[in-house]
Amino acid sequence: AQKITQTQPGMFVQEKEAVTLDCTYDTSDPSYGLFWYKQPSSGEMIFLIYQGSYDQQNATEGRYSLNFQKARKSANLVISASQLGDSAMYFCAMRGNNAGNMLTFGGGTRLMVKP
Amino acid sequence: EAGVAQSPRYKIIEKRQSVAFWCNPISGHATLYWYQQILGQGPKLLIQFQNNGVVDDSQLPKDRFSAERLKGVDSTLKIQPAKLEDSAVYLCASSLVLAASYNEQFFGPGTRLTVL
Repeated sequence: AQKITQTQPGMFVQEKEAVTLDCTYDTSDPSYGLFWYKQPSSGEMIFLIYQGSYDQQNATEGRYSLNFQKARKSANLVISASQLGDSAMYFCAMRGNNAGNMLTFGGGTRLMVKP
Repeated sequence: EAGVAQSPRYKIIEKRQSVAFWCNPISGHATLYWYQQILGQGPKLLIQFQNNGVVDDSQLPKDRFSAERLKGVDSTLKIQPAKLEDSAVYLCASSLVLAASYNEQFFGPGTRLTVL
């Protein structure tokens, strides 16, 4: 069984500062993928970044980077230079190759950017 | 490229009534997913289709929920009869292929269901 844990229900960050959203996972699959999605108040899930379990380097996409520590089973999202538009819910998710490719989501973290 | 379309966006019904949601995936996407997102939680997969066949419906409450994907394109999710605990946002997503660890899913705007 797969499990994703996001321990921060809510976080504040000052505009233009960096913020780290925590995500830990548990799986028995040797190969898996980790995803981060953003969900603004409009409700749509927006894909941000992906990290494969065998990727040697941490994934980066613009202001988003993923701090992947495989031994600790953590995949934290780092947002640099926060903007007001970054205020939203953020979900960490995982897919394992042996789990019917089912995407398992964590409970989410609400990020609020202060001007 | 048009995104995933869903309708209606909002629905309010009384318990024990029936309701249906519609989803049109991105053109060419073979895989379609329905998720239930209860307020304050992450989405939970209900069912996934590969073309018009069901791949996984292990978390679908089959006594009241049903879904179909005729002709491998549009899909409908039905609840009959609805219960109070079915109040949630129902998200539809699609992806190109099923069998790949990296397989980005594109989500629709969701349908917010309120059961009174």
